[in-house]
Order: sequence, then structure tokens, then C-alpha cells
Amino acid sequence: AQKITQTQPGMFVQEKEAVTLDCTYDTSDQSYGLFWYKQPSSGEMIFLIYQGSYDEQNATEGRYSLNFQKARKSANLVISASQLGDSAMYFCAIPYGKSTFGDGTTLTVKP
Amino acid sequence: ETGVTQSPTHLIKTRGQQVTLRCSSQSGHNTVSWYQQALGQGPQFIFQYYREEENGRGNFPPRFSGLQFPNYSSELNVNALELDDSALYLCASSKQGTDTQYFGPGTRLTVL
Repeated sequence: AQKITQTQPGMFVQEKEAVTLDCTYDTSDQSYGLFWYKQPSSGEMIFLIYQGSYDEQNATEGRYSLNFQKARKSANLVISASQLGDSAMYFCAIPYGKSTFGDGTTLTVKP
Repeated sequence: ETGVTQSPTHLIKTRGQQVTLRCSSQSGHNTVSWYQQALGQGPQFIFQYYREEENGRGNFPPRFSGLQFPNYSSELNVNALELDDSALYLCASSKQGTDTQYFGPGTRLTVL
């Protein structure tokens, strides 16, 4: 069985500052991938970043980076230089097998 | 945009009715997954289809069923609708053997 835990229901960040969204996971698989998705109020789920369990480097995609600590089973998303358009819900997921998503974190960027 | 489309956008049904939701996958993708997302919660995995066969199922009753067609598009059917079935239904397509799923805009179902 897989489980994703996101402990921050809501987060606030000032525009242009960095923010970290927490994610811990549990899986019995040796090989797995961790994903982060963004869901604006429109509802569409947007793929942001992927980390493979055997990747030696932390994943980065533009302003998004993943702080992957395998021993702690955590995969935190770091958003640098926050923008107003970053305000949305963010989900951590292991989307294979019985795909599992966390309950999400609502990020609000203040001007 | 991901190239994944869903129809209809919104739907209102009454308890006990049946509903069919549709999804067209991104070009080159042969796997479709369906999710139910209640308000304020994360998506819950319903099932996945690969090569027209169900390839994994979450904890949903048999009144949730699906189909995948030769062109990889898919349908989600829900019979005997209940009030708790009110949710956003998301479909996601991917290539078998890769993990990245690309989502459609969703269908918002309201059951009265």
C-alpha cells in the first residue's frame, strides 16, 4: 500500500520569496517516482516535476526544485521567486500502481 | 495544454440515474486513468485502462465501470448515482512504461 502525507493544509508566501511545501510518503516498492502537480481554481491538474527513487540528483524544473531525502521518505517541493500565478493547490503523488495523491496544500502568494 | 480532453464540462444528475463521462487521451498515449476528486481533497484513483483492459482498480464499487476504445479514448460509467458521487472527475493519459500522467480539465458532476 502507498501513502502520501501533506501536513500543511494552507501556506502563505510573499511575492518573490521562496516557499517549501512538505510531502512525506510510504511505499513498499523499491523503484518508484514522486510527482508534484499544481491545481489552479480552474481544476486542471498540471504536472510540475518528477523525482525517480534512484535519481542521484534532486530534480529541478525552472523555479521548481525537489528536496528529495530518501532515507526520511520526504520529497518537498521548493518554489523560488514566488509569483501571484503560483496561488493554487499543490499535490504530491505516486501516480502508478494504485495511484496515490496527498490531500494537497493550498498556496496563497501575497503581493 | 496537455492535449487531454474531457466531456462534458459540467453535469447535473439526480440520485439513482446513470452517467457516462468521456476522455480523449493525448496523442501517442495508450493508458488512461480515472480519478474522483471531492471538494477540498486529493484525487482518488478509480481505475486505469491499458490496451482496452482494466489494469488496476482503486477502492470503488462495481457500479463504477469503464471502457477503453481502440483509439485509446475512454469512458467512465457510474450507475445508481448517489449524492456522494458529486465530485470532479479527472482523467489522465500516459504511455505505458512511463509514470508521468497528463490530466484533462475534468468533468464536474453534481448529483441532486
